[in-house]
Amino acid sequence: DIQMTQSPSSLSASVGDRVTITCQASQDIHNYLNWYQQKPGKAPKLLIYDASNLETGVPSRFSGSGSGTDFTFTISSLQPEDFATYYCQQFDNVPLFTFGPGTKVDIK
Amino acid sequence: QVQLQESGPGLVEPSQTLSLTCTVSGGSISSGRYYWSWIRQPAGKGLEWIGRIYTSGSTNYHPSLKSRVTISVDMSKNQFSLKLSAVTAADTAVYFCARGPYNTFVSWGQGTLVTVSS
Repeated sequence: DIQMTQSPSSLSASVGDRVTITCQASQDIHNYLNWYQQKPGKAPKLLIYDASNLETGVPSRFSGSGSGTDFTFTISSLQPEDFATYYCQQFDNVPLFTFGPGTKVDIK
Repeated sequence: QVQLQESGPGLVEPSQTLSLTCTVSGGSISSGRYYWSWIRQPAGKGLEWIGRIYTSGSTNYHPSLKSRVTISVDMSKNQFSLKLSAVTAADTAVYFCARGPYNTFVSWGQGTLVTVSS
C-alpha cells in the first residue's frame, strides 16, 4: 500500500501569513494527488486536483505543486476562513485511495 | 447542483450490520461518468475510503474492509447504500457519501455519526 505522510501535523499562523504544508508518498505517485480542506463538523472540500490544478471557485491564494513523492500545498496569504485541517489524497493505485493524516492550521 | 444526504441508524450494536443510505438530489445517479463513494472518519482522526460504486453497478472496496462491505445502488430511488457487517467499536465514525470522477471526491454529504455500542 502507498503510505502518505504530512508535515507538520499542526501549525499556528496569523492572518496574512504564508503557509506551506508538505505531503510525502511512500512511492512515486506521479502527480496523482489532491488536496482537501475540512472545517470542524463539515465534510472535506476539494481545493487542488492533480497536484497543482485549482478546483473551480477556489480562491487563487491556494496552490499546489510537486510530483513523484514530494508535494507542497501553499496558502499565500492566510485568511480567517482558512483555519481548518488540510488533507492530501493519492490516487496512484486506483481503486485504492488513501489520505494523508492531515495538517491542522489554527490561529496563533 | 448535486446534493448528497446520508441517513441511517446512529447506533449499531457490536457484531451487527451497519446500514446507511445516501440520497442524491439535483441530478440523476444514473447519469454521467461518476463514482459514488463511502468514506469514514473516526472522531479526531483522518479519512478512510471504504469503497465505491460506478453507474454501471461495478464496485471497488478497500482491501481491509472488503470481506465486510457491500455497496449497492437503487436507481429508482436515486440512492446508493452501504452495508458493513460484523461491526466493532473500531467502526465508530462519521460516515460520508461522496461523488466524483475517477479519482477525486468533489461533492460530499454532510456526514452522519454511527456509534457501535451495546
